[in-house]
Amino acid sequence: GAGVSQSPSNKVTEKGKDVELRCDPISGHTALYWYRQRLGQGLEFLIYFQGNSAPDKSGLPSDRFSAERTGESVSTLTIQRTQQEDSAVYLCASSVAGGMSTEAFFGQGTRLTVV
Amino acid sequence: GENVEQHPSTLSVQEGDSAVIKCTYSDSASNYFPWYKQELGKGPQLIIDIRSNVGEKKDQRIAVTLNKTAKHFSLHITETQPEDSAVYFCAAVEASGGSYIPTFGRGTSLIVHP
Repeated sequence: GAGVSQSPSNKVTEKGKDVELRCDPISGHTALYWYRQRLGQGLEFLIYFQGNSAPDKSGLPSDRFSAERTGESVSTLTIQRTQQEDSAVYLCASSVAGGMSTEAFFGQGTRLTVV
Repeated sequence: GENVEQHPSTLSVQEGDSAVIKCTYSDSASNYFPWYKQELGKGPQLIIDIRSNVGEKKDQRIAVTLNKTAKHFSLHITETQPEDSAVYFCAAVEASGGSYIPTFGRGTSLIVHP
């Protein structure tokens, strides 16, 4: 596939459970971003990976949230002990960071519902 | 950090009218300003962007203007069509040695009535 792929597309989980969301970026894209979009809201930055540099975790809302990236490929966002306020669409994007061409390509998102 | 304000939150127009969405940013180091369109159930897609070394860019019915002094940038859609109905997001990025993290506005829901 040529685009950013996210899985699952939908996830319903019980409060208190852990969830893992997966993102497959576009091949060759060194930068990867996770955003959260609550219903009717804007895109809230969570975490940024760029090559082998230490990730920018400044947007993670609590220590229940963590993310990993294997090299310049797949990333996993993990939410532990989910709460109802975690319900949102989680969007992943990738880009060829560097210079002035930094278009971020988004996946379709994972809709997380915590019940 | 960067802060991006976007107005209006909702914009309703008749088909054929023009639509204008305005954004302001706070960090003078930002130098790349993309606009994204998000249709229902999909991820945002880039529709146009502008860099700080130009004041205006046009692509068919869409244009973007940038005022670096005032830290304002705007999206203009002319001859709107029902398929333009979507949520539009502006963003500001420091894309020259910075972190390249787009900071997004809160979005504008554009509704084009046939």
